[in-house]
Amino acid sequence: NAGVTQTPKFQVLKTGQSMTLQCAQDMNHEYMSWYRQDPGMGLRLIHYSVGAGITDQGEVPNGYNVSRSTTEDFPLRLLSAAPSQTSVYFCASSSYRGASYNEQFFGPGTRLTVL
Amino acid sequence: DQQVKQNSPSLSVQEGRISILNCDYTNSMFDYFLWYKKYPAEGPTFLISISSIKDKNEDGRFTVFLNKSAKHLSLHIVPSQPGDSAVYFCAASDIQGAQKLVFGQGTRLTINP
Repeated sequence: NAGVTQTPKFQVLKTGQSMTLQCAQDMNHEYMSWYRQDPGMGLRLIHYSVGAGITDQGEVPNGYNVSRSTTEDFPLRLLSAAPSQTSVYFCASSSYRGASYNEQFFGPGTRLTVL
Repeated sequence: DQQVKQNSPSLSVQEGRISILNCDYTNSMFDYFLWYKKYPAEGPTFLISISSIKDKNEDGRFTVFLNKSAKHLSLHIVPSQPGDSAVYFCAASDIQGAQKLVFGQGTRLTINP
């Protein structure tokens, strides 16, 4: 099991460029999410998905799009990158059982710099 | 508005002693709390959790205490080991968003030999 994988590990963009951060998991988890980590802010939820075809917004969704066409993949799209999106991005997955709680497994992160 | 707060950015503890990391929350709807550990250049890894119906949960050297009336939880590590040096994040979830975690800012724990 590779767990949760993220690509790329590092990325530098210019303001206005677009890109997609990839996330994949091989644990057959229903729930996937994207967080960003900024200094002094902890991790903040961007978007999440409770299954293929279902996505919803988290705490800081502006400037990001997601889609979930398969159980395994949950890409995060930046349509027009801004310096405020410079951050470390983490993807996470977990098994979802309605109201039962299950730990989230995190990927290694993507460090994004927007100039 | 920070709903989950870790007011100590850093903590230094002697090897073999007890490490106590603290976390406060403001949202009374939170009913499940977790601690994650993070090493540099890696993603957070789950450490221990506690439901609001309990006031203590233990797993080996790690114990989490929950004081609902004070909206406070703490993580105790006994005895502390050099490999425990990492950033520790407290996280919380409410009934409605079972998998939507709200994280604290993190506390960097350094264990000195």
